[in-house]
Amino acid sequence: QKEVEQDPGPLSVPEGAIVSLNCTYSNSAFQYFMWYRQYSRKGPELLMYTYSSGNKEDGRFTAQVDKSSKYISLFIRDSQPSDSATYLCAMSGGGNTPLVFGKGTRLSVIA
Amino acid sequence: DTGVSQNPRHKITKRGQNVTFRCDPISEHNRLYWYRQTLGQGPEFLTYFQNEAQLEKSRLLSDRFSAERPKGSFSTLEIQRTEQGDSAMYLCASSRDRGDPPYNEQFFGPGTRLTVL
Repeated sequence: QKEVEQDPGPLSVPEGAIVSLNCTYSNSAFQYFMWYRQYSRKGPELLMYTYSSGNKEDGRFTAQVDKSSKYISLFIRDSQPSDSATYLCAMSGGGNTPLVFGKGTRLSVIA
Repeated sequence: DTGVSQNPRHKITKRGQNVTFRCDPISEHNRLYWYRQTLGQGPEFLTYFQNEAQLEKSRLLSDRFSAERPKGSFSTLEIQRTEQGDSAMYLCASSRDRGDPPYNEQFFGPGTRLTVL
């Protein structure tokens, strides 16, 4: 079993839909939970991070962490074609330590 | 400064050849990370530096791989005697160590795509 599991999709939704992406993990030492977005042939860019459990909102994006279930989610409201990308969850035990990534979920938002 | 840069962007080589990649981090970022990403997978950690010190190496980093950061600025990743299984995107990231917490964002470069024929 990999440390971080993420459904690779692909996921295709109409413009304006609410998108739900999620990851599960097995290492209880993880304290930092990140969502990165990666466009084709580009490096990942950080969307959001959460320290420990809880929710965090930033514009159309909401990140949730449930450490008791070892489950994290990213919600995208009012999805746009420009949101079409691969979304990677990532985790680490410390704020400066190497990241452990999921496989990434490929999302397409259709206009 | 416009972010992390990596060179070359693409490299095609024949099996058995040596290759070297370069990463220039964001100025004043003292941490530098190397990851490898294969098609359909997330990035996997290879190694990282704090200033010029190499702090950790993944078991993925076989003895054919070597990384350096001689003056605590740019870094090089060398692969000797390349194999077809080395074909991947090699990503570099840098961050500024401000203590823990908060999370110190790792900024990624565009990657070097290696193809071993």
